[in-house]
Amino acid sequence: DGGITQSPKYLFRKEGQNVTLSCEQNLNHDAMYWYRQDPGQGLRLIYYSQIVNDFQKGDIAEGYSVSREKKESFPLTVTSAQKNPTAFYLCASRSTGGFAKNIQYFGAGTRLSVL
Amino acid sequence: AQRVTQPEKLLSVFKGAPVELKCNYSYSGSPELFWYVQYSRQRLQLLLRHISRESIKGFTADLNKGETSFHLKKPFAQEEDSAMYYCAASGSARQLTFGSGTQLTVLP
Repeated sequence: DGGITQSPKYLFRKEGQNVTLSCEQNLNHDAMYWYRQDPGQGLRLIYYSQIVNDFQKGDIAEGYSVSREKKESFPLTVTSAQKNPTAFYLCASRSTGGFAKNIQYFGAGTRLSVL
Repeated sequence: AQRVTQPEKLLSVFKGAPVELKCNYSYSGSPELFWYVQYSRQRLQLLLRHISRESIKGFTADLNKGETSFHLKKPFAQEEDSAMYYCAASGSARQLTFGSGTQLTVLP
């Protein structure tokens, strides 16, 4: 099983609390992504990073923040400004070379619920 | 705006019947098209992509640029094909835009 590890599997957030979702990859991929998955809406892009120390907002970045201090790690913080955080969050990384170029590989996800 | 549309949220077929999952896209330039699949209790994974022109698990998908479609087909569905299927497109920035998904159920 491999490549991209997300933790924790389940996370609960109290009102007004910031929580951080972890994403680690050992695939040596430069690009990493965070998606939010809601029933009936598919996956929507929150943030992405093409390289260390750089990241860009996706379609639904409001209420979220990220950092990319290491190639292997791309943590996502769900801030108190995100009013509807209950969702399934998926992290992915993208291969940039060889036969697998441009394929995104996904983690197992973190399910976030609000208490 | 870039958009991927999967018109069917739910699709049920009987085992051995042909299955077609529809996907239409609206994209500037020449996007790369993918089908991803999520089996129950497994992570999302690539099924196939248009540049490979390959058949995976009996599935094929043909890119029709005129109709901007990338429908997924299999001539004889199996029960193990039951899963959520997502069509996705990637443009020059290499971000994936996903459709809303089709839940396929193959009945015995």
